[in-house]
Amino acid sequence: DAGITQSPRHKVTETGTPVTLRCHQTENHRYMYWYRQDPGHGLRLIHYSYGVKDTDKGEVSDGYSVSRSKTEDFLLTLESATSSQTSVYFCAISESGGLGSNQPQHFGDGTRLSIL
Amino acid sequence: AQKVTQAQTEISVVEKEDVTLDCVYETRDTTYYLFWYKQPPSGELVFLIRRNSFDEQNEISGRYSWNFQKSTSSFNFTITASQVVDSAVYFCALSSSNTGKLIFGQGTTLQVKP
Repeated sequence: DAGITQSPRHKVTETGTPVTLRCHQTENHRYMYWYRQDPGHGLRLIHYSYGVKDTDKGEVSDGYSVSRSKTEDFLLTLESATSSQTSVYFCAISESGGLGSNQPQHFGDGTRLSIL
Repeated sequence: AQKVTQAQTEISVVEKEDVTLDCVYETRDTTYYLFWYKQPPSGELVFLIRRNSFDEQNEISGRYSWNFQKSTSSFNFTITASQVVDSAVYFCALSSSNTGKLIFGQGTTLQVKP
């Protein structure tokens, strides 16, 4: 199994509070991704990173920010959580991405976030 | 625009039946990659297979087989002699050679009853 740890695994918080989810990898992979999973939508990309301090938006990036100060850590922040951000969040890593990418992404176990 | 469609939302079969999960994709890229992932009830996502757009050979791995047809933009997944442990949500995904981003289908929930 790929060495990916997401924390926390479960979190309940209130609307308007800031929330930070952490993804930690031990594989030294360059690419890291944050997805959210919602019924009827599969997984949708929020943000991704292609190196330390290099990040880009995915298809559902509004209301989220990310940071990557070290290769092994990728943080996802909800600045002011809303009920629509209640979801299961997955982190993924891959050895390569971008042009010519054919490497599979490997996923963490997910974080279940409930915003009341 | 890229898109992956898994038209079957839920499938229920009895153990030992064969079952095929459909995946249809849309892309304008000439080079792209297709994936299948399994999400068992425990929630983790497990990578099953990768196929690139230049390789239309079917692949078999034990009870699993995949049929890739560019002419119909399909990448279907067949489980032969299904088992209860195959019960899961299965996702088909498409990766663009230009961006490397994965586009997922909505998923098919497979229930295998004993």
